[in-house]
Amino acid sequence: AQSVAQPEDQVNVAEGNPLTVKCTYSVSGNPYLFWYVQYPNRGLQFLLKYITGDNLVKGSYGFEAEFNKSQTSFHLKKPSALVSDSALYFCAVRDLNFGNEKLTFGTGTRLTIIP
Amino acid sequence: DAGVIQSPRHEVTEMGQEVTLRCKPISGHDYLFWYRQTMMRGLELLIYFNNNVPIDDSGMPEDRFSAKMPNASFSTLKIQPSEPRDSAVYFCASSPTGYNEKLFFGSGTQLSVL
Repeated sequence: AQSVAQPEDQVNVAEGNPLTVKCTYSVSGNPYLFWYVQYPNRGLQFLLKYITGDNLVKGSYGFEAEFNKSQTSFHLKKPSALVSDSALYFCAVRDLNFGNEKLTFGTGTRLTIIP
Repeated sequence: DAGVIQSPRHEVTEMGQEVTLRCKPISGHDYLFWYRQTMMRGLELLIYFNNNVPIDDSGMPEDRFSAKMPNASFSTLKIQPSEPRDSAVYFCASSPTGYNEKLFFGSGTQLSVL
């Protein structure tokens, strides 16, 4: 079975500081990994994905994520946080060997950027 | 393209009533997913379709829930009878293909069962 864990329910960061939102995953085969963001009263929006290749993936709005196979992690990062980055962030995983298109989401991390 | 369109945006109903949620996926997308979001359980996959055919409904909580996709441009999620514990935000999402494609989410339906 595939699963993903987001160990922090809430992350607070001062504006201009670097931010990290943590994610670890568990799959039996090779993972496809995704980050999505949800703004209030909206559906989830795609930020970035890792399929294969470079471990550092760049996405929308200046976000990037680093795939670490040995630590089974896929942390979301941004060098300088903006107040507008405040939102709910979800990590998600698909198991390439699992044979279907199911995308399993984490429980989400609420990111608050403090002006 | 207008994106994934869900209706209604908000639904308030009484326990025991039938509820029907609607979704129009993005044209050309072969996959359609129904998710439920609650504070306690996060985002749960209920069912997904490929080319209008249900592929995996193992996430459907119980027989009170049913989903259909009569054509490529329309899907419904029905709850009959509804219960207060069904209160949640229900999202529909579509995707061009499977595996490594991103999902496009609708704005969701906020369901409150009194």
